[in-house]
Amino acid sequence: EAQVTQNPRYLITVTGKKLTVTCSQNMNHEYMSWYRQDPGLGLRQIYYSMNVEVTDKGDVPEGYKVSRKEKRNFPLILESPSPNQTSLYFCASSLSGVLGGLNTEAFFGQGTRLTVV
Amino acid sequence: QKEVEQNSGPLSVPEGAIASLNCTYSDRGSQSFFWYRQYSGKSPELIMFIYSNGDKEDGRFTAQLNKASQYVSLLIRDSQPSDSATYLCAVESNTGKLIFGQGTTLQVKP
Repeated sequence: EAQVTQNPRYLITVTGKKLTVTCSQNMNHEYMSWYRQDPGLGLRQIYYSMNVEVTDKGDVPEGYKVSRKEKRNFPLILESPSPNQTSLYFCASSLSGVLGGLNTEAFFGQGTRLTVV
Repeated sequence: QKEVEQNSGPLSVPEGAIASLNCTYSDRGSQSFFWYRQYSGKSPELIMFIYSNGDKEDGRFTAQLNKASQYVSLLIRDSQPSDSATYLCAVESNTGKLIFGQGTTLQVKP
């Protein structure tokens, strides 16, 4: 089954304690990205990756890190989480990024609800 | 001005009617345009993408793109209560950056 898997689904942590949210896809997709969704602000892109070892900042990258060492995995790292990073996070993958019209497959993970206290 | 703008709604239509959802964007260099549907508490799911001016039809859904006027719309024909959801417009730049609108909540009343 084609899917994007995020873990954990729910996480409560304390300010400053480093955490990693994992994301894995089994579709050999080149493009992967992370978003956060907040009430009234919609979905905002944090980072995206068009292929292995290629990552770029989205709209709200501050406080986050990512890596893309292999095609299937794209972890999101919060080195020192703060309460303003409390949010619902989504990982997504698609067949390709920019190449207009080829982006015919796109899947989101089930989301990770993060609370930083 | 927001980069991608949608009316948050709610847009309420009776069952069987045509629902029309609109989205405007500010970056003229934008390449691809997407409509996602998100049910409450669920992940967004891609329902349509379009990159050429004009109409693209898929079942009951039609996406319309007008690059000169910088708008993209989604028409849902024969709306069903199961179409009730939030519809997210997303615009992709030529660098791969994806910007979402805030979403329009659609309510289809039986």
